Amino acid sequence: EAEVAQSPRYKITEKSQAVAFWCDPISGHATLYWYRQILGQGPELLVQFQDESVVDDSQLPKDRFSAERLKGVDSTLKIQPAELGDSAMYLCASSPQQGNNSPLHFGNGTRLTVT
Amino acid sequence: DAKTTQPNSMESNEEEPVHLPCNHSTISGTDYIHWYRQLPSQGPEYVIHGLTSNVNNRMASLAIAEDRKSSTLILHRATLRDAAVYYCILRLHTGANSKLTFGKGITLSVRP
Repeated sequence: EAEVAQSPRYKITEKSQAVAFWCDPISGHATLYWYRQILGQGPELLVQFQDESVVDDSQLPKDRFSAERLKGVDSTLKIQPAELGDSAMYLCASSPQQGNNSPLHFGNGTRLTVT
Repeated sequence: DAKTTQPNSMESNEEEPVHLPCNHSTISGTDYIHWYRQLPSQGPEYVIHGLTSNVNNRMASLAIAEDRKSSTLILHRATLRDAAVYYCILRLHTGANSKLTFGKGITLSVRP
């Protein structure tokens, strides 16, 4: 079964440094999501793409976070500069299309530790 | 967004049925009830969803109250692999607002 690929699996960085995460969704999935999950809590949506366009980035801290999906396929989430509070799991998910109750398929995430 | 309420945790015995409750008293007519689960060190995994009628699939069953203010996820025969956090989520049917908003979920422990 096709999977959502994320890399790296783990990342340790010092505060004030830049860090980037990569996601390759399931082939043909038009909708891509980035979620952040703090330990002990449920995932929180950061940004949603429909093809290459941002549909929802209302919860993305835009002063330090950026996301792109230039060709409407894979995506990169960047943090610059990283802060201690950014330590979390960053999850990518994709679905065939927006809405219509298409299930989301999640990758296994990138665990970020900021020291 | 309409909210859901779940107990923090539940324990079950292996090979016995498990009933995971969810309250959603402010559900609207266009909200679907979705369940996802998250195993340790993995991303969430879709389990099942429904609108009004009870639903069955290979993973679980979803029983929805007649007034839709509550639902129950049923695992017919728990295994150790079912130990996970289970999220009950309300999701609009279509449009940009059909995103998944996760709560804290319910942590299911399965005893051998």
